[in-house]
Amino acid sequence: RKEVEQDPGPFNVPEGATVAFNCTYSNSASQSFFWYRQDCRKEPKLLMSVYSSGNEDGRFTAQLNRASQYISLLIRDSKLSDSATYLCVVNTGNYQLIWGAGTKLIIKP
Amino acid sequence: EAGVTQFPSHSVIEKGQTVTLRCDPISGHDNLYWYRRVMGKEIKFLLHFVKESKQDESGMPNNRFLAERTGGTYSTLKVQPAELEDSGVYFCASSQNEQFFGPGTRLTVL
Repeated sequence: RKEVEQDPGPFNVPEGATVAFNCTYSNSASQSFFWYRQDCRKEPKLLMSVYSSGNEDGRFTAQLNRASQYISLLIRDSKLSDSATYLCVVNTGNYQLIWGAGTKLIIKP
Repeated sequence: EAGVTQFPSHSVIEKGQTVTLRCDPISGHDNLYWYRRVMGKEIKFLLHFVKESKQDESGMPNNRFLAERTGGTYSTLKVQPAELEDSGVYFCASSQNEQFFGPGTRLTVL
């Protein structure tokens, strides 16, 4: 079983739609949680940290359920520029980032 | 402020050859990390430096890989001899808290 599992994708959605990404992690000792965004042939960039209380940044909402070991990312009113691969990332407290395989999102006009 | 830089951006070598990748972290960042993404797989941690010391090298695949960070500034990752399965994108990151990634080196071993 992979340490971090994500929806395999790709997701093809029309502009303006709401998109939800799901992620589960296997290590219950995980301490920090993140969503990264990676554009084609570019480096990953931090999109949001994820907190137990849930957090929102504009059109983006991230949530964490520690009991279920589940992380989500919601994108509302999706834009063409949101097209990218979204990576779920977990830190168990030793600085190592454990990465999901990513879910590719394609926003269509 | 300059970000994390990596050199070269691409490298194509033959099996058995040696390649050295370089990473220049953000100035002042004590933590430096190497990660690798092979085709079709997730990004994997290789190792972590704190200044010039290897803090965690549990992700290094085998002894053909050697990472150094002399002086605690830039780091090099040498692969010797390279094998076909070493092909992939090698990312470097540096941090004080949040990890900032370099653009990666795309290594192709033929």
